[in-house]
Amino acid sequence: GAGVSQSPSNKVTEKGKDVELRCDPISGHTALYWYRQSLGQGLEFLIYFQGNSAPDKSGLPSDRFSAERTGGSVSTLTIQRTQQEDSAVYLCASSPAGGPNYGYTFGSGTRLTVV
Amino acid sequence: DAKTTQPPSMDCAEGRAANLPCNHSTISGNEYVYWYRQIHSQGPQYIIHGLKNNETNEMASLIITEDRKSSTLILPHATLRDTAVYYCIVRRNAGNNRKLIWGLGTSLAVNP
Repeated sequence: GAGVSQSPSNKVTEKGKDVELRCDPISGHTALYWYRQSLGQGLEFLIYFQGNSAPDKSGLPSDRFSAERTGGSVSTLTIQRTQQEDSAVYLCASSPAGGPNYGYTFGSGTRLTVV
Repeated sequence: DAKTTQPPSMDCAEGRAANLPCNHSTISGNEYVYWYRQIHSQGPQYIIHGLKNNETNEMASLIITEDRKSSTLILPHATLRDTAVYYCIVRRNAGNNRKLIWGLGTSLAVNP
């Protein structure tokens, strides 16, 4: 597609429920990142996928968080047993592979509210 | 990755140049300086990046000091649509992981 697409744009869920957030990166972009942004804060790195390499999961805050990237394209971020502190905007970004001459393209994010 | 320091907020009159400073005194030789901005309720948008030379594109100019310990993003003719939070980030481009470490940025208000 023309840009990075994320769905849903907004999600309200009850504490303890599981949620799935989806990211469709730009076609041909091999690098995909998930970040989250709490109210009034900068972005916090969660996980990174690059081609067929093992993902960098070093930013995932707990084992309730997991992510997959199927076929090197679409990615799903899953949060199990959601907690109120999980409320944030979850942002996905993609970039082409290669050297440093690429910025990321971000999606508009999924605003998650845990009540 | 090196840490950056930016003023929390700035104002600029519409039509004037907006000069946004960033300190990155611990930057190392292989770290690039990236600038992004985030307009309210949107995902961040890439603006420009550089290593040591000044850079210019259709959005902005990036001036990096000779010692690379600071840089300035210049929006030559700011418009109301440039009101956003501007993030300065330094990042190594060695290895596979090119994650960015984000600070709180500078909230730029362009006033009519």
